[in-house]
Parts: sequence; C-alpha cells; structure tokens
Amino acid sequence: QSVLTQPPSVSAAPGQKVTISCSGSSSNIGNNYVSWYQQLPGTAPKLLIYDNNKRPSGIPDRFSGSKSGTSATLGITGLQTGDEADYYCGTWDSSLSGVFGGGTKLTVL
Amino acid sequence: EVQLVESGGGLVQPGRSLRLSCAASGFTFDDYAMHWVRQAPGKGLEWVSGISWNSGSIGYADSVKGRFTISRDNAKNSLYLQMNSLRAEDTALYYCAKVAMVVAASGYFDLWGRGTLVTVSS
Repeated sequence: QSVLTQPPSVSAAPGQKVTISCSGSSSNIGNNYVSWYQQLPGTAPKLLIYDNNKRPSGIPDRFSGSKSGTSATLGITGLQTGDEADYYCGTWDSSLSGVFGGGTKLTVL
Repeated sequence: EVQLVESGGGLVQPGRSLRLSCAASGFTFDDYAMHWVRQAPGKGLEWVSGISWNSGSIGYADSVKGRFTISRDNAKNSLYLQMNSLRAEDTALYYCAKVAMVVAASGYFDLWGRGTLVTVSS
C-alpha cells in the first residue's frame, strides 16, 4: 500500500486530455513539493514535473502539474501514443523519507 | 556524459547479504544527495534510502531499517547500499537517483540509473 494514492489506470484517445490525481496528507504533499515521473516500458523513471508545476528542459508544455492542499494533479493534453507509460507522483514525509504513489498506467486508445 | 551506473545485483538466498554500487560520472558527485529507489517486478516505485552530500544525513524506509546501510565515497564518485538479512520481498530492480539541488538532502530526482536487479530466492 503506497503512502500516496493514485488511480491504477487512466485512458483516453489520441489528441485528448487526461488528468492523474495523487492524494496524500499534511505530512507529505501538504508540506512538500510534488514531482512527477514518467516510466516508459522497460526503462528507468524520468523526471516530468518538479516543484509541483515546473517542467524540466525538454519536457513539452503538454505536460502540466498542480497542487492544492494535500493533493496534486498531472495533466497531459494532446495525447500521443508515445505517452503510454506509468506515471508516478513523489514527495517527502520528512527531510529524508521519500514517498511515491502506486503509479498510474496511461493507455492511449 | 552525465550518468549513473548501478552494479552488484544478482541472485542471493534469503538471509544472505549483497552490496550494491552506483558509479556516478559527468557531474560533481559530492555536491548532491543520492538515493536508492527500488521497484519490485510489476510493481511501483518504493523509496529505500537516501544520503546527503556529506553523509551527515541518512534516512531509510521502515521496510529496510536495521538491515540496509547506505554509504558513499565522494573520492570515488560512488554510492553504495549494503543489504543484509535479505528477504524475498526485497526482490526488485534497484535504482540509484540523484537529487537535483546542490547540497539539499531531498528534493526531486533529476537523474536515474538503469537499475540493478536483486533476486532473493532459495
């Protein structure tokens, strides 16, 4: 059972928009920044969003993040088949105690 | 090239020990905290342990506390994870990951290795 709660799966058609939620508590999301990672099949996780809503260089603006209270949301617009992956939210419960969501599998129909 | 390369995984019997290594290159290793994150087959990510840039702060997940020890050798640009009293539930792909911010003990992971597989089985 993961500390952060994500839906196991989401799906949408190419070109559409999807959101992935991440729910935590005041001890983790409520008091820390949230980051999001994309894990394509058979590869290592890759940073997608950091500090709740910032995109690293090279990440298209189709990807966005937000946070409100003890929940965070990843949004993906203009879905492409190449976006099919597992997505994880992550944050901290204390300075050196990391927590992740259980992951959400995105299917682009 | 900026990269992290894990090694040391393998098949080990329950109760035995294993030491993982992570070799860093392409960045100033001793400026950054480093962490281990694992992923059991078909499962999600689980944070395992982290160590600050100067080894002054160390943390462990409850699931490994007392059995695993994280360490680093900044002169060798290397991170380690000593795993003792291994259990079947420790079977996973172990990633090392770099924290993005200089000196910060935690934060987001901007660089991941490809992982090394640990299988605990008799």
